[in-house]
This record gives sequence, C-alpha cells and structure tokens, in this order.
Amino acid sequence: GENVEQHPSTLSVQEGDSAVIKCTYSDSASNYFPWYKQELGKGPQLIIDIRSNVGEKKDQRIAVTLNKTAKHFSLHITETQPEDSAVYFCAATLLGGNMLTFGGGTRLMVKP
Amino acid sequence: DAGVIQSPRHEVTEMGQEVTLRCKPISGHNSLFWYRQTMMRGLELLIYFNNNVPIDDSGMPEDRFSAKMPNASFSTLKIQPSEPRDSAVYFCASSSGARGYTFGSGTRLTVV
Repeated sequence: GENVEQHPSTLSVQEGDSAVIKCTYSDSASNYFPWYKQELGKGPQLIIDIRSNVGEKKDQRIAVTLNKTAKHFSLHITETQPEDSAVYFCAATLLGGNMLTFGGGTRLMVKP
Repeated sequence: DAGVIQSPRHEVTEMGQEVTLRCKPISGHNSLFWYRQTMMRGLELLIYFNNNVPIDDSGMPEDRFSAKMPNASFSTLKIQPSEPRDSAVYFCASSSGARGYTFGSGTRLTVV
C-alpha cells in the first residue's frame, strides 16, 4: 500500500519568511496529492491539491510542487502570517480510489 | 451545503459507559471515513465505508469499537465499554472520490 512521509514535524519561522513542507510517497500509481490545514480545535481543511499531470500549482501565497520521478511533493507558503500557524498534512491517493494516505503532519508556528 | 456534521462536539463519560458518535456526510458523497486523532499517534483511520458498505475496518482498535452506516446520510461510531485510553478527537470525513476529503469539526471524547 501507499506510504507517505512528511518533514519536518515542526517548523518555526518568522512572520514574512517562507515555509516549505516536504512529503514523499511510495506508490508510483498515486496521482492526486491534497494538502490540509488543521487549526486548533477544528478538523483538517483542504487548502490546495495537485494532480500528477501538473508540476506546480499556485493559489495566492501557497503553492505546491510535484516531482513524479522522485515521488516528492512540497507545500510552499510565502510571506507567512501568524494566521498560517497550524498543523499541515499532506496526502496521496489514486484519484477515484477514495482512500487517502496521510503524512504525519507538520506543526507550523509563525512568530510575529 | 452545511458540510460534514458531527455530534456531539464534546463528550465526557465515565469508564465503562457506552459512547455513540454521530456523523452526517455531505449529500452526494459516497465514501465515509472515521478517524481518531491523538498527540501520540496523529490521524489514524479507523474504518472506511463506500456506498454504505464497510470496506476497510482494519484500523478499528478492538472489538469494543463498532461502526454502522444504515443509510447514505448517517453513520455512527460506538465504543462499548469505553476506557480512558479511548480519549481522543474523533473525526468523520466524506468524499465523492473526485477530490480530497471534507472533514467534520470532530468530537472530543474524554473518558474519565
């Protein structure tokens, strides 16, 4: 089955700096990679996703990159703000296959 | 759409009591997932339903845990008898298979 590794487990940055969270996956058949943000006391919320026919996708200050050959994908947050502080989860699946495999999560802390 | 609705939001119960957690998925989503989240273990998949049928319950920790989905709009997760180590946040999520999951707000269970 699929296995997703996520690094780092914690990340502390200064407000305005960039943050990068990296994930690797094991199943080359996986073709859909969502990212979730979990704020304190809430459930994880989908913030951005990428499909394997695309190498990069941007949405304002967040971007995801995918390297299918290396089976790596990353979340990039630019100009971080205190409200970006949360736990971020990456995941991977075969689209239409329903079962997401999650990474272990990254606790991002943005210091004002 | 109101999203995935879970109840109750908080539950405090005494060891040995039966606990029932409830979930209403998003209308039209054909997959439903129950997760448990703790600091030590992160997000753990307990059970997964597709079209109301349990597909994978390998994550259910013990026979004390059971889950049902009697129809497309309702699912329950029951713990009987409950133990202090069951204390966690339990999330329900639903999916149409075309994109990532939508999570509910969770039920924070405390067993004393």
